[in-house]
Amino acid sequence: AQSVTQLDSQVPVFEEAPVELRCNYSSSVSVYLFWYVQYPNQGLQLLLKYLSGSTLVKGINGFEAEFNKSQTSFHLRKPSVHISDTAEYFCALRPGGYQKVTFGTGTKLQVIP
Amino acid sequence: EAGVAQSPRYKIIEKRQSVAFWCNPISGHATLYWYQQILGQGPKLLIQFQNNGVVDDSQLPKDRFSAERLKGVDSTLKIQPAKLEDSAVYLCASSLSTEAFFGQGTRLTVV
Repeated sequence: AQSVTQLDSQVPVFEEAPVELRCNYSSSVSVYLFWYVQYPNQGLQLLLKYLSGSTLVKGINGFEAEFNKSQTSFHLRKPSVHISDTAEYFCALRPGGYQKVTFGTGTKLQVIP
Repeated sequence: EAGVAQSPRYKIIEKRQSVAFWCNPISGHATLYWYQQILGQGPKLLIQFQNNGVVDDSQLPKDRFSAERLKGVDSTLKIQPAKLEDSAVYLCASSLSTEAFFGQGTRLTVV
């Protein structure tokens, strides 16, 4: 079985400061890893994905994430946040093949002016 | 490219009533998912279709929830009868191979 752990339920950060949202996963097989963002009353939008290859993945809106196989982590980072980044962020994984996407419990990013 | 379409966006019903949600996935996507997202939690898979066959419905409360995918395209999710704890956002997603693309969801409130 696979699982995703997001230890931080809320992360407050001042505008223009850097931020890191943590994600750890557990799986006995190779997986694809994703970060999704959810704005209020909206669906989930894909920020970035790791499929294979380079462990540093760049996504939309200036976000990036680094896959660390030895630490089974896939932390999301942004060097300078904006008010518009206030949202909930979900880390997710999917084993290869036509299998389900498993989500973490989410991290609410609150950007303070 | 058109995204995943869901309707309605919002629904309020009384407990013990029935409700149905509709999803139109991205054209050509063989995999379709229904997720339940309770406030403050991550999405939880209810059912996964591959074309019009069920791949995973292990977490679907089958005594009250049902879902079908017509001709491997559109899908409907039904709850009958609804309970208070069914209040949640119901998300439909579709996938071609790797990532899943989500609709805007249906927010269900059971009173």
